[in-house]
Amino acid sequence: GAGVSQSPRYKVAKRGQDVALRCDPISGHVSLFWYQQALGQGPEFLTYFQNEAQLDKSGLPSDRFFAERPEGSVSTLKIQRTQQEDSAVYLCASSLAVEYVLPYGYTFGSGTRLTVV
Amino acid sequence: EDQVTQSPEALRLQEGESSSLNCSYTVSGLRGLFWYRQDPGKGPEFLFTLYSAGEEKEKERLKATLTKKESFLHITAPKPEDSATYLCAVQANSGGGADGLTFGKGTHLIIQP
Repeated sequence: GAGVSQSPRYKVAKRGQDVALRCDPISGHVSLFWYQQALGQGPEFLTYFQNEAQLDKSGLPSDRFFAERPEGSVSTLKIQRTQQEDSAVYLCASSLAVEYVLPYGYTFGSGTRLTVV
Repeated sequence: EDQVTQSPEALRLQEGESSSLNCSYTVSGLRGLFWYRQDPGKGPEFLFTLYSAGEEKEKERLKATLTKKESFLHITAPKPEDSATYLCAVQANSGGGADGLTFGKGTHLIIQP
């Protein structure tokens, strides 16, 4: 596609419910990132994939958060037993390759706004 | 730990009134400093990458500059469509791989007609 697509755009979950957020990166993009953006804050790094390999998951806030990219394209961020502090916008970003990040930046999706009630 | 601090948090200008946004950073080794624009309900949109002190980049009414400790985003004769949140982010030299960006909280800019 022409851009990074994320679904759903909005998700309301009851506390304790599991959720799955989907990211469709630009076709051919090797690098894929997930970020969490709380209201009024800048995005915070969660995890990074290069193709299907998860090279960095140091930003995942707890073991309730899990991300996968099994075929090196679509990625899913799963949050188990959601809590109110998980309410945020979850952004996905992709890049053609590591060496293109600096001159062209990442392309971000519009995000999924998760509200835990 | 890498840190990015942006100021002011919010800025309201009249159309045509030029100003600058500040981004102060501390990073173990700078690979690149990024400026992004974010509109409500959208993801950040890439504007510039700066690599080393003294570098400048321009795009339409925007000009970004970099020193060893901070970066400025200068907005010349802004228009209402320049209203957005402007985010600064740094990427550190990690010795390999593509590390995540460390973002500031952003400056919410409003340009009044």
